[in-house]
Amino acid sequence: KQEVTQIPAALSVPEGENLVLNCSFTDSAIYNLQWFRQDPGKGLTSLLLIQSSQREQTSGRLNASLDKSSGRSTLYIAASQPGDSATYLCAVVMDMGRRALTFGSGTRLQVQP
Amino acid sequence: DADVTQTPRNRITKTGKRIMLECSQTKGHDRMYWYRQDPGLGLRLIYYSFDVKDINKGEISDGYSVSRQAQAKFSLSLESAIPNQTALYFCATGQGNGYEQYFGPGTRLTVT
Repeated sequence: KQEVTQIPAALSVPEGENLVLNCSFTDSAIYNLQWFRQDPGKGLTSLLLIQSSQREQTSGRLNASLDKSSGRSTLYIAASQPGDSATYLCAVVMDMGRRALTFGSGTRLQVQP
Repeated sequence: DADVTQTPRNRITKTGKRIMLECSQTKGHDRMYWYRQDPGLGLRLIYYSFDVKDINKGEISDGYSVSRQAQAKFSLSLESAIPNQTALYFCATGQGNGYEQYFGPGTRLTVT
């Protein structure tokens, strides 16, 4: 059974810092890995999707990397802002038929102004 | 207007009551999912559907049932609610061969 772990569970940084969120998974037979942002009362927003054949994806100040063989992904946030405060979830797709997501428990990020 | 809507947004109910959570989407997607999230945990799959005639159980389907009334509507029912079903429930959609999923705002359910 796939287990997805995110470390740290919570993180507080001052505005302007660069930071890294970590995600690890036990079964490397994934089709893709996705990073989501969760804001209270607003559901989940997809940030980046990395296919299993890719090494990284970038969107603005966000960069996600994937090392499938070692079962790891990182989300790098450059020049953090208070508006980045949210919970960040990583999730993997194991089954191309269902395309359902297996989630980690998230990292709660607080960016202090 | 939001592409994926969920009603109600918040609900408090008593043990043993039947309750239905509804999800509607305007994205025209064929795939729909129900997940639940417990504090400090990731989302877990309850049920999923690829069209109105295709309903499948996820990892934690016990105590739940679903109905796909139309391509755009997917409802989750708790036949006899129990306190450990207190959670945040999310509906999501996906299209065809794509991997991306689009989530509703969630329903916070409390069973007392």
